[in-house]
Parts: sequence; structure tokens; C-alpha cells
Amino acid sequence: AQKVTQAQTEISVVEKEDVTLDCVYETRDTTYYLFWYKQPPSGELVFLIRRNSFDEQNEISGRYSWNFQKSTSSFNFTITASQVVDSAVYFCALSEASFNYGQNFVFGPGTRLSVLP
Amino acid sequence: GAVVSQHPSWVICKSGTSVKIECRSLDFQATTMFWYRQFPKQSLMLMATSNEGSKATYEQGVEKDKFLINHASLTLSTLTVTSAHPEDSSFYICSETNYGYTFGSGTRLTVV
Repeated sequence: AQKVTQAQTEISVVEKEDVTLDCVYETRDTTYYLFWYKQPPSGELVFLIRRNSFDEQNEISGRYSWNFQKSTSSFNFTITASQVVDSAVYFCALSEASFNYGQNFVFGPGTRLSVLP
Repeated sequence: GAVVSQHPSWVICKSGTSVKIECRSLDFQATTMFWYRQFPKQSLMLMATSNEGSKATYEQGVEKDKFLINHASLTLSTLTVTSAHPEDSSFYICSETNYGYTFGSGTRLTVV
């Protein structure tokens, strides 16, 4: 069965600090997709990244970076030089692959990030 | 990527009434859509899979007679919460499957 664990329930940092959000997943499939979403107080889910199980290259997008390690089943997310606007709940999610991505997501419990000015 | 439009964004209803939530795919045809529910300070949990032209598939523990799903066209899936009660107050959100990662903006339901 699929499972996603985000051990950090809440994190508080001061603006400009770097912060890493942990994500550990479980799946029996060899082909799967991992996602990170941001959920601001307004509620919508903002897509951040999708990574397939065969691509272990780390990715950087501006202040965001992701570290995917299949050996430890982890897909961690780092925000560099955090800003107040980064305050939100962040979800890591897992989706098993199908021909047309027609699979539902299994979400982690989320990590509430508060960036203080 | 795909665009999914969800309405309403929020709704307050009286206990015992029914509420319909719509999820539209704007630039693609959606044969399948997923409906999730999120209680306050909790994660998103899959409720049901909506299939165009056939019955929805419900997750264990989700009452199919209470949460009616209709997917009559390739661009519209609806979730109706029937005889809503305060415990149904939650955030409901749909997602498309064609591209695997686009969600509607969600509907916050408050039953008073």
C-alpha cells in the first residue's frame, strides 16, 4: 500500500533562513510520481513539482530545490532564504503511474510552515 | 497544463439541505476526475472517482447515497452533498487525471 509521511507537523523559521521539509514515501511500484503542493490559507493547491521515479536528479527552481533519493525513499524540499509569503501548508504526494496518469494521489499529512518577519 | 474550474468557492447551508459543487475541465475532456475532502488541519483524503457516463467509485467509508457524484459530460463533474449536517463541513476539492496534477480551487462547505 502507498503511504506518505511528513514527520514535521509544524515548522517556524525567521525570514531569510533556509528550511527543509521532509517527505518519506512507501510504494511497491517501481514506477511512480512524487509531487509537492503548497496550500496557502485561501485553500487552493498550488503545484510545485512532479518527479517520476526514474529521474533522481535534484532540481532547483529559484529559491526552491528538491532532493530525491530512492535509496531512502525520500523526496525532501528546501526553501532557501525563506520569505513571509512562503507561509503555508506543504503537502508531499505520491501517485502510482498509469498510462494517462489516471491515478489518484496519496497525500502526506502536510507540514505547516510559518515564516516570521 | 489543464485548467479545472470549481464552483462555488465557499458555501454556507442549513442543516438538512443539499449542496451541489461543480468541477469543470476548461481546456480538455475529462473522462475521470477525483474528489477529495479535507477536514480542518488535516490532509486530503480521496472520496471518490468520477467516471464519465458511468457510476462513480467510492472509497471505503464514504456514503454513496450522501455524496452523489454525476459525470454526465466530458467537461463537468458534480458532487452533491445531500441532507448536509455540520459534520459534513469541510473543504472539497476535485482534480483531473489527464495531466495528473491539476486541482480545482476547492469549495469550503459550512453547514450550520
